[in-house]
Amino acid sequence: DIVLTQTPLSLSVTPGQPASISCKSSQSLLHTDGKTYLYWYLQKPGQSPQVLIYEASTRFSGVPDRFRGSGSGTDFTLTISRVEAEDVGIYYCMQNLHLPPGTWTFGQGTKVEI
Amino acid sequence: QVQLVQSGAEVKMTGSSVKVSCKASGGTFTMYGVNWVRQAPGQGLEWMGGIIPFFRSTNYAQKFKGRVSITTDAATSTAYMELRSLRSEDTAIFYCATVDSWGQGTLVTVSS
Repeated sequence: DIVLTQTPLSLSVTPGQPASISCKSSQSLLHTDGKTYLYWYLQKPGQSPQVLIYEASTRFSGVPDRFRGSGSGTDFTLTISRVEAEDVGIYYCMQNLHLPPGTWTFGQGTKVEI
Repeated sequence: QVQLVQSGAEVKMTGSSVKVSCKASGGTFTMYGVNWVRQAPGQGLEWMGGIIPFFRSTNYAQKFKGRVSITTDAATSTAYMELRSLRSEDTAIFYCATVDSWGQGTLVTVSS
């Protein structure tokens, strides 16, 4: 089974400053179809998770461009260029390499506080 | 982007079953499927299983195999998750989700 390990597990940030979260996979998330099946989600307090990034580096529609996903293979990073107050919550990486319908695996989550 | 609306909160007795529904609007999950995720109080996200109706394919997390069933009704664009033999540790919010859309969550409370 694929294991995703996020670091750090908590992050205290200053508004306007950058922040980064790492997600390491126990095996490559590059599919034979050429896509990398790694997603980033943000769960704001009291809400359902919402997708930020799909296929490792593509911002979902409506996601501010201060969010950037990068990485390949087994190492991935979510970077917030300038943190805003509304960015607080728990960030999760998720993989669903094996399709269909495959298996989803989540990282432990990273709690971001201002 | 499909919108997912789940059924309301449930309170169940230990040993009983719960069936949560998830209705899609603005699209269907016939081709891409729907998954179910559990979140215990104060804990992270835990995948339970998923289904892609088009491929008639279902997959369950090992932890839940034998205790969970995920089905769909194409006529009503509704997915269902049934969890049996409930125990107190199953108290959680259950979400249906596609990769880009999540339901609002259904709180299931299990008590003796």
